[in-house]
Amino acid sequence: DAKTTQPPSMDCAEGRAANLPCNHSTISGNEYVYWYRQIHSQGPQYIIHGLKNNETNEMASLIITEDRKSSTLILPHATLRDTAVYYCITGGWFGNEKLTFGTGTRLTIIP
Amino acid sequence: SAVISQKPSRDICQRGTSLTIQCQVDSQVTMMFWYRQQPGQSLTLIATANQGSEATYESGFVIDKFPISRPNLTFSTLTVSNMSPEDSSIYLCSVALGYEKLFFGSGTQLSVL
Repeated sequence: DAKTTQPPSMDCAEGRAANLPCNHSTISGNEYVYWYRQIHSQGPQYIIHGLKNNETNEMASLIITEDRKSSTLILPHATLRDTAVYYCITGGWFGNEKLTFGTGTRLTIIP
Repeated sequence: SAVISQKPSRDICQRGTSLTIQCQVDSQVTMMFWYRQQPGQSLTLIATANQGSEATYESGFVIDKFPISRPNLTFSTLTVSNMSPEDSSIYLCSVALGYEKLFFGSGTQLSVL
C-alpha cells in the first residue's frame, strides 16, 4: 500500500502559486520525500526531493514539517504546462528501498 | 540526467502473442526498473533488473509472464508473454542515478485485442 495521502485533484489559476499537500505520517527517519509529476501520456518526471530541510530548485520548492509527517510542494508561478498528476512518494535510497507510487494529485491550471 | 529510449512506443497485439520492449540508456546504470501503468491507474513496480543477476520481481508478477534481460549496463528488455486484454497498459522503464532520482522513459503503450 502507498505510504502517502494526497488530495485526488486540485485547481490553480495560471500565474499563482500552486501548493500541493502530502501526508506521510508513517515516514521513518531515513526515508526521503520525493515528488514526481506525470504529464499525460509521458513518463513521470522527477521534481524535487528532501530529507528534513526545505529544498528549492529551478522547478519547485519543498516544505517539510518539523515532525516530517507532511510536506507541501510549491510551484511558485504555475503555467498551463504544469497541468499534470503529481506524486508524493517516500523511500530510501534505491539499494534497499523501492519507490511506491500512490494515486497522486491531478493538478489543473486554469487560464 | 539520463536519456532513456523505449521501443516500441506503442503496439497493438493479438491475444496469446508476446511482445518484447526495449529500453536503452545513454549512460551506464546499475539499477533499472520496469513499471506498469494500467488505464487510469498509478504506476506499479514489476521488477528490478540489475546487470549480472536475475531480476527481482514484485508480488503478483512472475518471470514466466514478464521475463527480463539485462545484458549490460545500458540496456534491458521486458517481454510480456502470452498476452491477454488485461495486459493492456503503459509499460515504463526507469533508471536510478546517484541513488537519489528515478528517470523514466516515455513508455510503451500496449493494447491487446
